[in-house]
Amino acid sequence: NAGVTQTPKFRVLKTGQSMTLLCAQDMNHEYMYWYRQDPGMGLRLIHYSVGEGTTAKGEVPDGYNVSRLKKQNFLLGLESAAPSQTSVYFCASSYRAGGSRFFGPGTRLTVL
Amino acid sequence: AQKVTQAQTEISVVEKEDVTLDCVYETRDTTYYLFWYKQPPSGELVFLIRRNSFDEQNEISGRYSWNFQKSTSSFNFTITASQVVDSAVYFCALSEARRGGSEKLVFGKGMKLTVNP
Repeated sequence: NAGVTQTPKFRVLKTGQSMTLLCAQDMNHEYMYWYRQDPGMGLRLIHYSVGEGTTAKGEVPDGYNVSRLKKQNFLLGLESAAPSQTSVYFCASSYRAGGSRFFGPGTRLTVL
Repeated sequence: AQKVTQAQTEISVVEKEDVTLDCVYETRDTTYYLFWYKQPPSGELVFLIRRNSFDEQNEISGRYSWNFQKSTSSFNFTITASQVVDSAVYFCALSEARRGGSEKLVFGKGMKLTVNP
């Protein structure tokens, strides 16, 4: 099993460009999450999903959109990137509420 | 509101020393989960342990041990006989356990451990 995978691993964008980060998991988990990690801030929840076709806002959702069309995939979109979105993005999945979250390897995004 | 405090931001030890990483949490829930994650220099987040609020038994896994005390709202992590490979940032985290609905995994700000040879 690959666990949780993320593509791409690195990306550089110019302000105003758009992009989509892809997260895939092969553990048949119901719950999926997107976090961002910034120095001194720990990890903060952007959006999450409790099942296929559902999404919900987390702690810092502004500027991001998500979709969960298939159970195994969770997409994070940036419609108009801003330098404040420079961060490392982690996707995670878990089998239930309160379950252990398994994280992907992260995507390092730089917005110039 | 939930909160996780890791008061130590950085610790440096010499190999073979024991080191304890402190974690204090706040929650109004009676049912919750506590976690520790390790983030080595390579950047990935590695799950170490999950503990539910009803299980106060201490746990030992090799050189790692965890001390959960509800009376002091603490979930401390001890590495015995530290090794260079233990050098990483360690995160403590707290999750609500709301059935069928939303829940957050709230992270502490992390503690950077450096183990010197």
